[in-house]
Amino acid sequence: DVKVTQSSRYLVKRTGEKVFLECVQDMDHENMFWYRQDPGLGLRLIYFSYDVKMKEKGDIPEGYSVSREKKERFSLILESASTNQTSMYLCASSSLTVPGYGYTFGSGTRLTVV
Amino acid sequence: SQQGEEDPQALSIQEGENATMNCSYKTSINNLQWYRQNSGRGLVHLILIRSNEREKHSGRLRVTLDTSKKSSSLLITASRAADTASYFCATDSATGFQKLVFGTGTRLLVSP
Repeated sequence: DVKVTQSSRYLVKRTGEKVFLECVQDMDHENMFWYRQDPGLGLRLIYFSYDVKMKEKGDIPEGYSVSREKKERFSLILESASTNQTSMYLCASSSLTVPGYGYTFGSGTRLTVV
Repeated sequence: SQQGEEDPQALSIQEGENATMNCSYKTSINNLQWYRQNSGRGLVHLILIRSNEREKHSGRLRVTLDTSKKSSSLLITASRAADTASYFCATDSATGFQKLVFGTGTRLLVSP
């Protein structure tokens, strides 16, 4: 069964900490995405990547960075966590060569910053 | 840049009834997709309809697309309690890189 795996389901971090959210996919997908989901706001795109070492800003990149050193792994980094980054974070992947077949999502990481 | 807007925001029905959710969007698209999210989990892809298609079926799901009105509907027939979830439409812009923009979702509650 193909999968997108996010390393943690729940995380609690302190304000100012550097936070790493890891995402790994086993489908050899070129595209990977990080979204955050907040009540009433739906899913908002933070960053995406269409190739190793490539990254593009989404709609709300401020306060975040990403790393894609290997095709299967896409990491989201909160350089200095703040309480307004408390949210559900969703990683997804999709195929560039076979577009339009939908995204595969991970189960999400619910991050609380205190 | 919120593209899709679902309507209604919440829907409550009995098992066996049909559920209809609507989605409106703003710009030209390559395709429109529907996803389901069970509480606190990731999203699951349900169905994709391309901009040159008007209707598509998958099991108990029926999706329509009207590009002139920039709208889509998702019909779930003979609903079951297990269909209780949030449903999101997502659009893939006709210009630029392939990335989906999601709506805010419809919360569906199916009671036994």
